[in-house]
Amino acid sequence: SQKIEQNSEALNIQEGKTATLTCNYTNYSPAYLQWYRQDPGRGPVFLLLIRENEKEKRKERLKVTFDTTLKQSLFHITASQPADSATYLCALDSRSGSARQLTFGSGTQLTVLP
Amino acid sequence: SQTIHQWPATLVQPVGSPLSLECTVEGTSNPNLYWYRQAAGRGLQLLFYSVGIGQISSEVPQNLSASRPQDRQFILSSKKLLLSDSGFYLCAWSRQGATGELFFGEGSRLTVL
Repeated sequence: SQKIEQNSEALNIQEGKTATLTCNYTNYSPAYLQWYRQDPGRGPVFLLLIRENEKEKRKERLKVTFDTTLKQSLFHITASQPADSATYLCALDSRSGSARQLTFGSGTQLTVLP
Repeated sequence: SQTIHQWPATLVQPVGSPLSLECTVEGTSNPNLYWYRQAAGRGLQLLFYSVGIGQISSEVPQNLSASRPQDRQFILSSKKLLLSDSGFYLCAWSRQGATGELFFGEGSRLTVL
């Protein structure tokens, strides 16, 4: 069966360090993978998308890697700040009919300590 | 710019009562529309999606239904709520034919007692 796993439900790091979150999947062949940020009681917000033929994508302090052989994506936040504290969700696409659908992992709750 | 509105934000309903959650999107046309549910500490579960007016696909058998009476309106309903229907419901949209980034509403917190 298809499965998406994100490492550890919670991750605590010190301010200024790099946070690394992991997303592993099985029985998917996604064309792309997405990362979202979710704050408590709010809807998720799209951060980054990486395609299957891309190894790495950067946006400001964010970096995403995508290894389709390992079936894994790593999400890095460099120079982390307390404001980066949130739950981060990875999502994989699949196509059904004419709509692309996303399946989400359960998320990793990141806390950046001042 | 595009916006998505979802309401009500919070509701507490007794078991067996009906439900109606509404979602509207502004600033775009012919979007794909989605309803997700998020249980506490869990990931997002896709409930329904729609690629056009009157076109609804259900991902899981359940006590809920969805309708799309207008291009940018998506409604989640139930005739009789169950305790297990409690959760955080999220409406989202994406552009047709695009790579599928989702834009979420603020969510509706449903508690069934």
